[in-house]
Amino acid sequence: AQSVTQLGSHVSVSEGALVLLRCNYSSSVPPYLFWYVQYPNQGLQLLLKYTSAATLVKGINGFEAEFKKSETSFHLTKPSAHMSDAAEYFCAVSGNSGAGSYQLTFGKGTKLSVIP
Amino acid sequence: DTGVSQDPRHKITKRGQNVTFRCDPISEHNRLYWYRQTLGQGPEFLTYFQNEAQLEKSRLLSDRFSAERPKGSFSTLEIQRTEQGDSAMYLCASSLVSTEQYFGPGTRLTVT
Repeated sequence: AQSVTQLGSHVSVSEGALVLLRCNYSSSVPPYLFWYVQYPNQGLQLLLKYTSAATLVKGINGFEAEFKKSETSFHLTKPSAHMSDAAEYFCAVSGNSGAGSYQLTFGKGTKLSVIP
Repeated sequence: DTGVSQDPRHKITKRGQNVTFRCDPISEHNRLYWYRQTLGQGPEFLTYFQNEAQLEKSRLLSDRFSAERPKGSFSTLEIQRTEQGDSAMYLCASSLVSTEQYFGPGTRLTVT
């Protein structure tokens, strides 16, 4: 069984400040981990993924995440927030469910607000 | 390069009516997924196809729900006898084997 916990349903940062969105996962198989971003009334856009290669993963729009197996964490960071980063962010985990589906299990999401 | 498309984008229906949604995946992707997202929650897995075969279904997929992917290309999701609890965003995603999933814009269903 797999699960994801995102700490903080709402995070506010000032423009130019560090963004840190937290994600902890639980997985009985070696996980693949993802961060997606969702703008209002839109689908999900992939920011970055971890698939057992480098533990520090760089994504689009200046985001990166570090896989820490000992902490079962995959936190998302960006050094300097931009107004356009305001959106909802979802952490997700997948692994072979046995039927080969690699279905994604998502956290509840963290809504990021950027204050000018 | 076209991404995943879904139609319609919005659907308002009365309780008890049947509705059908369509998803067109990225053309070379052999895997197609349906998810449901309710307000304030992350998407939840409903079902998965590899080519035309439906290989996995969630317990969320009651017998009022049926999904098809007849020729391994587009997929349809039908909900019969809709209930107010079916109101949600229905998301489709596609992928190649075990790689990342690419999502469509979703169909927002409102049952009145």
